[in-house]
Amino acid sequence: DGGITQSPKYLFRKEGQNVTLSCEQNLNHDAMYWYRQDPGQGLRLIYYSQIVNDFQKGDIAEGYSVSREKKESFPLTVTSAQKNPTAFYLCASSRRTGNSYNEQFFGPGTRLTVL
Amino acid sequence: GEDVEQSLFLSVREGDSSVINCTYTDSSSTYLYWYKQEPGAGLQLLTYIFSNMDMKQDQRLTVLLNKKDKHLSLRIADTQTGDSAIYFCAETTNTGGFKTIFGAGTRLFVKA
Repeated sequence: DGGITQSPKYLFRKEGQNVTLSCEQNLNHDAMYWYRQDPGQGLRLIYYSQIVNDFQKGDIAEGYSVSREKKESFPLTVTSAQKNPTAFYLCASSRRTGNSYNEQFFGPGTRLTVL
Repeated sequence: GEDVEQSLFLSVREGDSSVINCTYTDSSSTYLYWYKQEPGAGLQLLTYIFSNMDMKQDQRLTVLLNKKDKHLSLRIADTQTGDSAIYFCAETTNTGGFKTIFGAGTRLFVKA
């Protein structure tokens, strides 16, 4: 089955630690995205990548870092510089058609809690 | 700038129709989407509409687009308790197509 997976589902971290969230897709999609979701709010874009070895900052990139070494993988590192990291993190991917991108497919999410 | 707005809550009785509304600001929108999110899960694409269409129907779902007023709605016929979820409106703008703007989501409560 094709899809997008995220791991772990729940993650606990002590203050001052970096932590990496995994996102993998086998849909052969070109673009991948990381969003943050806080209670009662919509999705805010952290980083996105349209092609391997390239990525751009979204609206709230400070305190986060990403890499895109393989088409199917787009891990997100939440660094100790992120002041309020407790949130639900969603990864998504989309296929490129010409100069635009189709609808985004989402993973199941990772809930990060900083203790 | 680009913005998508939705009301935060909607409550309906089982069997009634639900109508979730959304307004957007970017007139260059190419695609408009409705996603559903159940508790603790990711977003699931329900349906989408091209900006040159007025209406799209898919089983119990009807999407209406008023491009002049930049208004999008999702009607769910015969609403069931399993429809209780958060519904997100989203638009993809005509700026290279890579950016999708999401609304804050409408939480639908279905009373039995």
